[in-house]
Amino acid sequence: KAGVTQTPRYLIKTRGQQVTLSCSPISGHRSVSWYQQTPGQGLQFLFEYFSETQRNKGNFPGRFSGRQFSNSRSEMNVSTLELGDSALYLCASSFQSRPSYEQYFGPGTRLTVT
Amino acid sequence: AQTVTQSQPEMSVQEAETVTLSCTYDTSESDYYLFWYKQPPSRQMILVIRQEAYKQQNATENRFSVNFQKAAKSFSLKISDSQLGDAAMYFCAYRINQGAQKLVFGQGTRLTINP
Repeated sequence: KAGVTQTPRYLIKTRGQQVTLSCSPISGHRSVSWYQQTPGQGLQFLFEYFSETQRNKGNFPGRFSGRQFSNSRSEMNVSTLELGDSALYLCASSFQSRPSYEQYFGPGTRLTVT
Repeated sequence: AQTVTQSQPEMSVQEAETVTLSCTYDTSESDYYLFWYKQPPSRQMILVIRQEAYKQQNATENRFSVNFQKAAKSFSLKISDSQLGDAAMYFCAYRINQGAQKLVFGQGTRLTINP
């Protein structure tokens, strides 16, 4: 079975621009979660989607949004980029939205904002 | 709010020796899960071991075992017979047993294996 894939792997954007990151979960998985990883703040939960519905959102401004498609693929969008948005963005998928089901992480998208 | 604290930013161990990584957490919930994740330099996060709070028996996975002290809110990871491939960042994480798949992570411990 193919693992979680994220595209693109690397991205360089300028302040004020917007960006869309994509995550394709493991086949059959319906839950996709997104995390932001920075040296200063560590790993922080952004949001989770399950069956096309956002289940929860972390403490991030409204510039961060996401969606999930009927095939469970998910995208996250960041508008009006700021320097502080530079981070590794990880997505994780699981079969169900329960902790008894393991979350599998993708390799991440490294976003650099200049 | 739930918090997870890893007090050891870096640890090192000789190959084949045993090392213990510390983790404490704070929660008012009684039903939750605790995890240790490994993030090698290639960046793909991998689940190492999982512990359900209502289970008193400590989880083990081959060379990896935990010491779960619920009353003390402590969840340490022991790696036996350390191997070069164990070198990575290790993150302790918490998740309440309801709601979204939201993991709360500690700041991580960088483990170095000395040959």
